[in-house]
Amino acid sequence: AQTVTQSQPEMSVQEAETVTLSCTYDTSENNYYLFWYKQPPSRQMILVIRQEAYKQQNATENRFSVNFQKAAKSFSLKISDSQLGDTAMYFCAFMKGSQGNLIFGKGTKLSVKP
Amino acid sequence: DTGVSQNPRHKITKRGQNVTFRCDPISEHNRLYWYRQTLGQGPEFLTYFQNEAQLEKSRLLSDRFSAERPKGSFSTLEIQRTEQGDSAMYLCASSLAQGHGKLFFGSGTQLSVL
Repeated sequence: AQTVTQSQPEMSVQEAETVTLSCTYDTSENNYYLFWYKQPPSRQMILVIRQEAYKQQNATENRFSVNFQKAAKSFSLKISDSQLGDTAMYFCAFMKGSQGNLIFGKGTKLSVKP
Repeated sequence: DTGVSQNPRHKITKRGQNVTFRCDPISEHNRLYWYRQTLGQGPEFLTYFQNEAQLEKSRLLSDRFSAERPKGSFSTLEIQRTEQGDSAMYLCASSLAQGHGKLFFGSGTQLSVL
């Protein structure tokens, strides 16, 4: 069975600075996707960034980038130039192949301070 | 608003009562998912549909839970004989079949069982 572990329950960062959220996962699969989802206080979850396991290049989306270490089964999220609107719960998630069910970690609560 | 819509937003019920939640996905999305989220945890997969077919159910989904998606449009999740342990946020999400994990979530239905 696949598992996703987020070891940082809470983190804080000053506005405009950079923060990295950690995620590790366990799987015997070769074909999978990894995700970071954001859940702001309004509670509607949105996709931040997605990484296909077969791609060696790390995914980037504007201020958000990942460090995908396949052998180490590590998938961290870096947020550059943090903004107040980045304050949210961040969930790392795993999906086997193209199946629809995502397996989520317990989340990291990020607070961006002015 | 063309996002995923869930009703009601909040539901308070007494133990033993039946409750039903509704989810209206984004109209062109053929996949629909139900997740459950308790405080301090990530969402847990319950079930998902492709069009009207229920393709997968989690072992978390006891026989008191039933989900339907008639005509492949909206979906309902019914919980019979509710228990206090059913108290949670129930999240619905939708995606394209080739969405590769890019799910669009609703705001959820918060269930409290007294």
